Amino acid sequence: QVQLQESGPGLVKPSGTLSLTCAVSGDSISSNYWWSWVRQSPGKGLEWIGEIYHSGITKYNPSLKSRFTISVDKSKNQFSLKLSPVTAADTAIYYCARGAVVKPFEYWGQGTLVTVSP
Amino acid sequence: QSVLTQPPSVSGTPGQRVTISCSGSSSNIGSDYVYWYQQLPGAAPKLLIYRNDQRPSGVPDRFSGSKSGTSASLAISGLRSEDEADYYCAAWDDSVSNRVFGGGTKLTVL
Repeated sequence: QVQLQESGPGLVKPSGTLSLTCAVSGDSISSNYWWSWVRQSPGKGLEWIGEIYHSGITKYNPSLKSRFTISVDKSKNQFSLKLSPVTAADTAIYYCARGAVVKPFEYWGQGTLVTVSP
Repeated sequence: QSVLTQPPSVSGTPGQRVTISCSGSSSNIGSDYVYWYQQLPGAAPKLLIYRNDQRPSGVPDRFSGSKSGTSASLAISGLRSEDEADYYCAAWDDSVSNRVFGGGTKLTVL
């Protein structure tokens, strides 16, 4: 059973850096899947941030690319998201997900709420 | 403003059949598969339909997907109270090299 668990600070100051980690269990981060981040602003819809393959190949939402960085840590079987600088508009629930070409976002983490506030 | 357009809300009574539409363009739905996700209140989204009309194991056959041209639909038959959720369509958009979602449709079971 594949499980994903997000972790990171729930509160970040404006202009600061948001760092989140997604721990993967029940599967290897080196398996043939894409590991993704998706966010959902309060009361809003879903927004794809980007994804990474275990080789390090990344794809990003072109409208967000310059502020986000996704990386993978094979030794810890996890992948991470960094966002800098943050603004209030980045307040959202951040989800990590596993997917394949055939089934994007097949498995999801429970999500973690990040609030950007002084 | 989402690239894929969905109605904000639909409703139905138990046992009824409802459909949720998703309208796009030639650069997304017209040239790629459509996916549907169900998000129950307070939960993470769940993959409901992949590659236009395929159901992952465990998804009841009450849920079905279809696609025609630049539009797609999700149909839910034999509506149940537990189907009350937000539903999102998604596709890859070639013009912006981006995975795009619809704005979501809130299904209310009356």
